[in-house]
Amino acid sequence: DGGITQSPKYLFRKEGQNVTLSCEQNLNHDAMYWYRQDPGQGLRLIYYSQIVNDFQKGDIAEGYSVSREKKESFPLTVTSAQKNPTAFYLCASSISTGTGASPLHFGNGTRLTVT
Amino acid sequence: EDQVTQSPEALRLQEGESSSLNCSYTVSGLRGLFWYRQDPGKGPEFLFTLYSAGEEKEKERLKATLTKKESFLHITAPKPEDSATYLCAVQASYGGSQGNLIFGKGTKLSVKP
Repeated sequence: DGGITQSPKYLFRKEGQNVTLSCEQNLNHDAMYWYRQDPGQGLRLIYYSQIVNDFQKGDIAEGYSVSREKKESFPLTVTSAQKNPTAFYLCASSISTGTGASPLHFGNGTRLTVT
Repeated sequence: EDQVTQSPEALRLQEGESSSLNCSYTVSGLRGLFWYRQDPGKGPEFLFTLYSAGEEKEKERLKATLTKKESFLHITAPKPEDSATYLCAVQASYGGSQGNLIFGKGTKLSVKP
């Protein structure tokens, strides 16, 4: 089955530690995205990538970093500089963004808790 | 400012009681409007894309419609398994990337048997 796999499902870290969230897709999609979801708020875009070895900041990129070395993979690192990292993180992918409206396909998320 | 507003925030229905969810948007040119369903602890599941005013899409008990200012998700004779949070997202026509996708906060639907 084609889809997006995020791991781990739950992640616990101590304050001050960097942590990397994994996202892998086998949909052969060009574009990949990271969103953050907090209670009572809409999804907010952290980073996105339209092609391998290229990525752009979203609305809330501060304290996060990404890489896109392979088409299938788009890991997100939450650094110690992120002031409020506890959240539900969602990875998504879509076919080429181009000029058409392409729906996003989401993974099942990673819930990160930092204490 | 581009924004998406969903109402109501929460909706409780009895099984079989039809209703509608609203998604109002203001954006400088609409490329597409998306509806998603999200179950607790899961990622959003894509339901529909609407591109222009007057367009309608249907899937089982769900029907999505679009005007120039808002979209409705009509739920006909809902069942308990329709309970979920329904998200609306809008993509603006300016720019060339999905970075222009704007999400609403969602409507949490509960259907009681």
